[in-house]
Amino acid sequence: AQRVTQPEKLLSVFKGAPVELKCNYSYSGSPELFWYVQYSRQRLQLLLRHISRESIKGFTADLNKGETSFHLKKPFAQEEDSAMYYCALKFGSGGSYIPTFGRGTSLIVHP
Amino acid sequence: EAQVTQNPRYLITVTGKKLTVTCSQNMNHEYMSWYRQDPGLGLRQIYYSMNVEVTDKGDVPEGYKVSRKEKRNFPLILESPSPNQTSLYFCASSLYPSGANVLTFGAGSRLTVL
Repeated sequence: AQRVTQPEKLLSVFKGAPVELKCNYSYSGSPELFWYVQYSRQRLQLLLRHISRESIKGFTADLNKGETSFHLKKPFAQEEDSAMYYCALKFGSGGSYIPTFGRGTSLIVHP
Repeated sequence: EAQVTQNPRYLITVTGKKLTVTCSQNMNHEYMSWYRQDPGLGLRQIYYSMNVEVTDKGDVPEGYKVSRKEKRNFPLILESPSPNQTSLYFCASSLYPSGANVLTFGAGSRLTVL
């Protein structure tokens, strides 16, 4: 079965420290992977997706098919990065893909 | 403004009293979905819809119903709410249910069942 695992419920770092939020997936096909973020009292929104290979707010994520991982990284954390982060996998075929989410990691960046 | 609108945003109700949480999108999206968010459990999909009159169960459909009679609306119905349905609910939509399409989320509806 398709699964997304975020092993850390909570990640606590100090401002300026590197951050890595882990995401592992299990899916035998070609995955479409995303990171969504939920800031306090705001709705979930897309942070980045693997097909874009972009850096958003200093965050990057590389798809590693060998390790089935899509870890989210930022070299220097900022206080405004404190939020809930969800890794999401879309699986399916043809034109129909169903998104499944990990349990989320709460990132707290201390001043 | 392109958005997903949920109502009500907050609701306190009692066990067994039927309620409906509405979800409407103005982006002509084909795909719509309902999630519940619970501490430690993350986002779990309740129901989803690929298009009008096409709905399917997600991971946690028990106790919920949905309908998709028109493209823009996807209401979530709790026929007989129970306390274990106390949660934060999110509606989301995307243009197509294809791999690359990004989900747009509503602001959430916090439901408390006493």
